Formats: sequence, structure tokens, C-alpha cells
Amino acid sequence: SSELTQDPAVSVALGQTVRITCQGDSLRSYYASWYQQKPGQAPLLVIYGKNNRPSGIPDRFSGSSSGNTASLTITGAQAEDEADYYCNSRDSSGDHLVFGGGTKLTVL
Amino acid sequence: QVQLQQWGAGLLKPSETLSLTCAVYGESFSGYYWSWIRQPPGKGLEWIGEINHSGITNYTPSLKSRVTIAVDTSKSQFSLKLSSVTAADTAVYYCARGRYGISDYYYYYMDVWGKGTTVTVSS
Repeated sequence: SSELTQDPAVSVALGQTVRITCQGDSLRSYYASWYQQKPGQAPLLVIYGKNNRPSGIPDRFSGSSSGNTASLTITGAQAEDEADYYCNSRDSSGDHLVFGGGTKLTVL
Repeated sequence: QVQLQQWGAGLLKPSETLSLTCAVYGESFSGYYWSWIRQPPGKGLEWIGEINHSGITNYTPSLKSRVTIAVDTSKSQFSLKLSSVTAADTAVYYCARGRYGISDYYYYYMDVWGKGTTVTVSS
């Protein structure tokens, strides 16, 4: 399968913890990468590999994986974390990239 | 610090060919994969295809018949051509740098993105 499935929308209270998930067969072979996108901006890489954060990404962002599911966790969500989040991986063949449909995160 | 600068025509008529270029500044061109991704208005990200410094390409199956991605290593640039465009090709188009890694599993990520080019197809 070449699809990655995400919940369309998730909400979290300010300062609380939220988990955004991504499911797909290719995640049994590849770790997902996660991107944050705010309106009018290009996507920004926030998590890659087993649980790696690029320089400048706050440590409240973390990643995990189990079976066919990858998760992005934000521990202590801030107002500035409100954005769309996309997971991404190679497909099972390795020849193509696939994106999840995206999750709109609302911070209440 | 590596930067990607992209440009190309922003308004096309149906049946024309979309043409975009992405220039890489501040980093070696080799050792990476260079991708094009698009995002229709109000929708999610769609990977179009990629190329490496040797010219090896991969394309998404749904667009493969209309897409050509090429590289000019002498200029550290890569380009996208999408033929026979329709209104469905209206989107913001991004270029991005991709890298592989391995840690228990393989992983792939795109750590540098261009700012995006808005392409509108309208008669």
C-alpha cells in the first residue's frame, strides 16, 4: 500500500499533551518524518528518523513508531503549535514518497 | 546555510506546459535527492517526483506520463516540467531537499524547502 492515513483534525488545551498519528503499511519498514505547516508558509520539518529533531525545533516535539503507526507527540502544546501537520515516508517499494492527508491541530 | 530559490511562470492556460526551476545555494548538490511537491488550494501535500545528482528520477504514478524532472549540476539547479496542464494542476509548487538515513529502519526526510511558487491554470 502507498497510503498514509491521518485524522483530519485534533484539538488540545493549552499546555496539555497531544498525539497525532499516521498509519500505513510502509511504516513497518520506514520511519515517518513529520512536517508542520502554518498558513501561507512552506512546510517545516519537525521530526525525522526514530525520534530526531532538527536544530531549532523545541524539545516538546517528539516522535515514536509501533507497527504500522507513527506518532508525533507535543508535550505542553503552545499557541504557536497550532498548524497543519503532515507525515511522510517512502512507500513500501521505496521508489516513491507519500504524504498523509494532514492533521489540523487546534490549540484551545 | 543551504537555501532553495525557485521561480517559474505563475499563470498558465489549459494544455500549456508548467515550467519551474529550483536553485540550490550554500551546499553541495550531490548526495541528496531533490523533490518537487505541490499543494492545491485548501488541500494537502502531494509529492510529484525527485531527482538525484546523477539524474536518477522517480515520479508519482498518477503524474508520471506528464512530468519531467531534470538536473543541471553545473548550475546546482533542478527543474520541473508538467505538460498538458488543467485547472486541477493549480497549486503551490515547492522544491525540497531530501536525505536518507538508517536507524533500525530506513528513513527519509526533507529538511530544506523552497518558499513555494503559486501556479494558476485558467483560460
